[in-house]
Amino acid sequence: GIQVEQSPPDLILQEGANSTLRCNFSDSVNNLQWFHQNPWGQLINLFYIPSGTKQNGRLSATTVATERYSLLYISSSQTTDSGVYFCAGPLKTSYDKVIFGPGTSLSVIP
Amino acid sequence: GAGVSQSPSNKVTEKGKDVELRCDPISGHTALYWYRQSLGQGLEFLIYFQGNSAPDKSGLPSDRFSAERTGGSVSTLTIQRTQQEDSAVYLCASSLQGGYTEAFFGQGTRLTVV
Repeated sequence: GIQVEQSPPDLILQEGANSTLRCNFSDSVNNLQWFHQNPWGQLINLFYIPSGTKQNGRLSATTVATERYSLLYISSSQTTDSGVYFCAGPLKTSYDKVIFGPGTSLSVIP
Repeated sequence: GAGVSQSPSNKVTEKGKDVELRCDPISGHTALYWYRQSLGQGLEFLIYFQGNSAPDKSGLPSDRFSAERTGGSVSTLTIQRTQQEDSAVYLCASSLQGGYTEAFFGQGTRLTVV
């Protein structure tokens, strides 16, 4: 079945630093989402980005569907950015089965 | 409703008892998903509904787990004869039309089996 990889698995940043998180799929995806799971466990939608580039404040994301990867950029990181970042997408063989990557755990320290 | 609502928020149950977890999706969303997240782990797919049908039940861990959805809206995940390994956060999500559309999550139900 489709595999989803995320890198790095863990990341520690000094407040104000920039970072890039990566999501790789083993097969084509027609849809991709990025989520932030905050320390209280709530999953927050960041981007719905099947292809192209989107920006929302200090965050932006780029998906290159033909090359099966997506990148999440965090600029001028803040302590509130801490948590786990997940990418997710549907299986090619079953478009409604949305599976998640293992996540990147981000800690932003003051 | 305005968002996906799950109840209860927390549930503590004794080993061997049955539990029911409820998910109320966003109004008009035809697709509904259940996931399980153990402590410090990623999201494990359990089951997906399109309307009242569940075309993919492959993620249910055992026959103690079942789920239903009625009226194309509320879904219930039932765990029979709970075991300690069932302790986890159970997350529900809904989307307008399945995998091609954006999914939104509820706050989860934290289940503790003692």
